[in-house]
Amino acid sequence: AQRVTQPEKLLSVFKGAPVELKCNYSYSGSPELFWYVQYSRQRLQLLLRHISRESIKGFTADLNKGETSFHLKKPFAQEEDSAMYYCALGSGGGGADGLTFGKGTHLIIQP
Amino acid sequence: KAGVTQTPRYLIKTRGQQVTLSCSPISGHRSVSWYQQTPGQGLQFLFEYFSETQRNKGNFPGRFSGRQFSNSRSEMNVSTLELGDSALYLCASSLGLANNEQYFGPGTRLTVT
Repeated sequence: AQRVTQPEKLLSVFKGAPVELKCNYSYSGSPELFWYVQYSRQRLQLLLRHISRESIKGFTADLNKGETSFHLKKPFAQEEDSAMYYCALGSGGGGADGLTFGKGTHLIIQP
Repeated sequence: KAGVTQTPRYLIKTRGQQVTLSCSPISGHRSVSWYQQTPGQGLQFLFEYFSETQRNKGNFPGRFSGRQFSNSRSEMNVSTLELGDSALYLCASSLGLANNEQYFGPGTRLTVT
C-alpha cells in the first residue's frame, strides 16, 4: 500500500535559518513525488515535483530512493514561507490512481 | 486561464440527506479527481474521472459516487449523509496524461448536522 509520512506536524524556525521538511514514502513501484503548499486562506497549490528538479521560491527537494525520502529544503527561510506543506505520492498514472498525501507540516517562520 | 472552480463553497445538510457537489476543471483538462480533507484523516483520494469514465476509486463506501460530463465538468454525490462526512471536499483537474500536475479548487465545506 502507498503511504506518505511527514513526521513533524509543526515546525517553527527563525527567519534566515535553514528549513527542512521531512517526507518519507512507501511504494513498491516507481514513485512520483510532489510538494504542495497551502498559504493561509488560499487553495492547495503545487510547489514542486521531483521529475522537474527545479527550485521554486528557493525550495528544492531531492528524491532519495534508497532512503525512500523526498525532503523539502530551503537554505534561508522567509516569513512568507509560513504555510501548510504537504508531501504527495503519485503512481505516475496521470492522476488515475490519485495522490496519496501526508498529514502535512505546518511551517511557521518567526521574525 | 481560469482556475478550478467548485460550487457551492459551503453547505449544511442533515444526517440522512444527500448532497451533490460540482467541479469545473481548467479549460482543456480532461481529468478530475476528488479528495476528502478532514482534520483526523487528512487528504484522502475519493475517485478520478477521465473522459466521462471513472478510472480509479479510493477506499470509500458506495454512498460516495461521481460522474463526469462531456465538457469535463464533474459532480460528486454523497447519499445518506453521516456526521462523519463533514469535511472539505477538494476537486483537482489535470490533463490526465502520465505525470501530469493536478490543480486544486478552493473546496466545498460540507457540514452534516
